[in-house]
Amino acid sequence: AQSVTQPDIHITVSEGASLELRCNYSYGATPYLFWYVQSPGQGLQLLLKYFSGDTLVQGIKGFEAEFKRSQSSFNLRKPSVHWSDAAEYFCAVGVSSNTGKLIFGQGTTLQVKP
Amino acid sequence: EAGVAQSPRYKIIEKRQSVAFWCNPISGHATLYWYQQILGQGPKLLIQFQNNGVVDDSQLPKDRFSAERLKGVDSTLKIQPAKLEDSAVYLCASSARGFNQPQHFGDGTRLSIL
Repeated sequence: AQSVTQPDIHITVSEGASLELRCNYSYGATPYLFWYVQSPGQGLQLLLKYFSGDTLVQGIKGFEAEFKRSQSSFNLRKPSVHWSDAAEYFCAVGVSSNTGKLIFGQGTTLQVKP
Repeated sequence: EAGVAQSPRYKIIEKRQSVAFWCNPISGHATLYWYQQILGQGPKLLIQFQNNGVVDDSQLPKDRFSAERLKGVDSTLKIQPAKLEDSAVYLCASSARGFNQPQHFGDGTRLSIL
């Protein structure tokens, strides 16, 4: 069955430190992968997406993610975290190229210490 | 461009009552999605429209939930009668027609069932 697992429910990092959020997916075909961010009381905003090609993708707000097929992973990284990055982060896999249907992970809450 | 608009932002009702949510997608977006996001979980797709036709409603509890998208623009999602487990944030998203176009989300409606 298609699924997305985000192993870390909650992560705390110090401002200025590097960040890596983990995402593992289960999908039989070539995956289409996404990372979204959700601030409290708001909808989801797309950070970046991977469809094909270069396995290292750049997104908005200084985020990047690397697709590793052998590990079924699509981890999100940022070299230096800012206090404004505190939010909930969702990894998602597109399970149909026809409909655009997404399956989301359960999310990782990021807390940033001053 | 104006984003996805949803109303109301908050709704409190008693169980067995009915409730309706409204969504206005980004102008020109052919595809509209309704998601349910229970606290601590990622969004789960309830129903997807392409113009005014239903593409996927496999996870919509059809005995109590209904949705329509008249004229292929605005959409409403209704719950009747509501149950305690329906307490959640209901997110609307829209996307342009085409291969895995990014989904743009509204800020959601937070529903509390007493």
